[in-house]
Amino acid sequence: ELKVEQNPLFLSMQEGKNYTIYCNYSTTSDRLYWYRQDPGKSLESLFVLLSNGAVKQEGRLMASLDTKARLSTLHITAAVHDLSATYFCAVDVTSGSRLTFGEGTQLTVNP
Amino acid sequence: DSGVTQTPKHLITATGQRVTLRCSPRSGDLSVYWYQQSLDQGLQFLIQYYNGEERAKGNILERFSAQQFPDLHSELNLSSLELGDSALYFCASSATSWESDTQYFGPGTRLTVL
Repeated sequence: ELKVEQNPLFLSMQEGKNYTIYCNYSTTSDRLYWYRQDPGKSLESLFVLLSNGAVKQEGRLMASLDTKARLSTLHITAAVHDLSATYFCAVDVTSGSRLTFGEGTQLTVNP
Repeated sequence: DSGVTQTPKHLITATGQRVTLRCSPRSGDLSVYWYQQSLDQGLQFLIQYYNGEERAKGNILERFSAQQFPDLHSELNLSSLELGDSALYFCASSATSWESDTQYFGPGTRLTVL
């Protein structure tokens, strides 16, 4: 059974600081997704990573994928309050169907 | 706004009852997915339909069923409801079922079983 683990599960950081969220998964896959969820809201797609070594950046967020280590990272640069949300990674091992999600990382950026 | 719509937004019902959740995918999307989000189980994949046909099944209970209609909208039917079925139910859609497709999530239906 595929397991997807994120850490940390809770992250409180100061504005302007950098930090990394880690996503480990247990089965070979070269498709990994990052989503953002605001409280009481739906999931918003952030990144789709489709191959080993893939790196994508959008604003203060950068995601990378190492399929050999079964690890993805979401790096936050110079955090701002607007980044406060829960971030999920999800892995797809069945050709574009089911996603298996991590537990989510609840990020709070303090002014 | 992802372009995926779900109705109703909130649903409160009693144990033993049956409810139907509705989802309209983004225009042109052929795949519809259903997910359940609860505090104790997290986000779990339930079922996928592609162009009217069931494509993949996840942790969906036998009391739950779904279908996708010719106009591509989908319904998730939950019957003999239990307290533990209280959760946020998301529908997502993608253009195809190819692995590179991003899934776009609807706003969700919050189900409360009393």
